[in-house]
Amino acid sequence: GQNIDQPTEMTATEGAIVQINCTYQTSGFNGLFWYQQHAGEAPTFLSYNVLDGLEEKGRFSSFLSRSKGYSYLLLKELQMKDSASYLCAVRDGDYKLSFGAGTTVTVRA
Amino acid sequence: DAMVIQNPRYQVTQFGKPVTLSCSQTLNHNVMYWYQQKSSQAPKLLFHYYDKDFNNEADTPDNFQSRRPNTSFCFLDIRSPGLGDAAMYLCATSREQGAAETQYFGPGTRLLVL
Repeated sequence: GQNIDQPTEMTATEGAIVQINCTYQTSGFNGLFWYQQHAGEAPTFLSYNVLDGLEEKGRFSSFLSRSKGYSYLLLKELQMKDSASYLCAVRDGDYKLSFGAGTTVTVRA
Repeated sequence: DAMVIQNPRYQVTQFGKPVTLSCSQTLNHNVMYWYQQKSSQAPKLLFHYYDKDFNNEADTPDNFQSRRPNTSFCFLDIRSPGLGDAAMYLCATSREQGAAETQYFGPGTRLLVL
């Protein structure tokens, strides 16, 4: 089966940086996605990594190491609106995404 | 704006009473997915349609069925809801199947079973 682990909760201060780690053990690998999900709302796409390295997109960056089965999402210059759950998801075939349980990030003033 | 729409946003049903959840999309995507997400848990794929081809996940209970009458609409039918089926049901679409294809989610329908 698929095993995707990420911390349950993280708290940080407005303006700070937070790094959300994700480790995975899956039967195949065809890319890793990060989604943001505000409470009671749908997940929204943040980033996609399929090759090793860092992808930067504004305040958000995502890193992948396939050999280590490891990714992180880096949130910089945190804003209150960044308080949400962040879901790591691995694609192991052509379509299926296996999600982690999500990391709830709370940004304090 | 192109989007994924789910109706209703909240649905209350009684134990054992059939219920249908609706999803529509204006993205003209070929693939539509249904996920179940219980509180503080990961979304779990129930099934998906690639065009008219239905693909059921191996561990999806028979109680859950789906219909896709056309490209734009997809329905989730729960034949006899149990208390354990209370969850958020998320519909998602992607343009095609493929490694880099992003899935776009609707706002979800929260189902309560009394």
